[in-house]
Amino acid sequence: ILNVEQSPQSLHVQEGDSTNFTCSFPSSNFYALHWYRWETAKSPEALFVMTLNGDEKKKGRISATLNTKEGYSYLYIKGSQPEDSATYLCAFLPNDYKLSFGAGTTVTVRA
Amino acid sequence: DTGVSQDPRHKITKRGQNVTFRCDPISEHNRLYWYRQTLGQGPEFLTYFQNEAQLEKSRLLSDRFSAERPKGSFSTLEIQRTEQGDSAMYLCASSLVGGVMTDTQYFGPGTRLTVL
Repeated sequence: ILNVEQSPQSLHVQEGDSTNFTCSFPSSNFYALHWYRWETAKSPEALFVMTLNGDEKKKGRISATLNTKEGYSYLYIKGSQPEDSATYLCAFLPNDYKLSFGAGTTVTVRA
Repeated sequence: DTGVSQDPRHKITKRGQNVTFRCDPISEHNRLYWYRQTLGQGPEFLTYFQNEAQLEKSRLLSDRFSAERPKGSFSTLEIQRTEQGDSAMYLCASSLVGGVMTDTQYFGPGTRLTVL
């Protein structure tokens, strides 16, 4: 079992504020890092697949960075909106293609 | 909707009963995965198929668990003699290996199992 850790476990953000949180993962046998957004009663939705050290990906107000050498990724939400409320999961994909998930960061955006 | 579907969405059963869940992947996807998620944890890998072949099983998958993908399309996960510790969300995902994307797995909404 690979150690993928996310912090914080949960956070509350005022609408309009920006926030970020962390995923740490093993730095060896790296193939890819995935970010998913999971809203209650829905399917986890793929946000980003990141493969190269220094990768930066952006989707609307959400962006992510990747450092494979030190084994961490940040996810940023700019100008949080209530619809951003969800659990954000990161998943480490080593070269055996089995995803190892973190426990997630649950974001609650207060209006 | 051409996403991954799972049935049922919720299942309540008594300890000792058998349950079976179904997953229909995205039609052109050749890999299918099962995960289990318990409260406060991320999804944990259980098993995966490439077409109809079950290629790997986690140590989490006890002998009471069996998964099939008979024609390389839908899959079933059966739990025999359920225990309270089996209560969890069971997630299915599919992916297209050999495609352009880096093995992005697309998830279904899950089946929430409660064992009384």
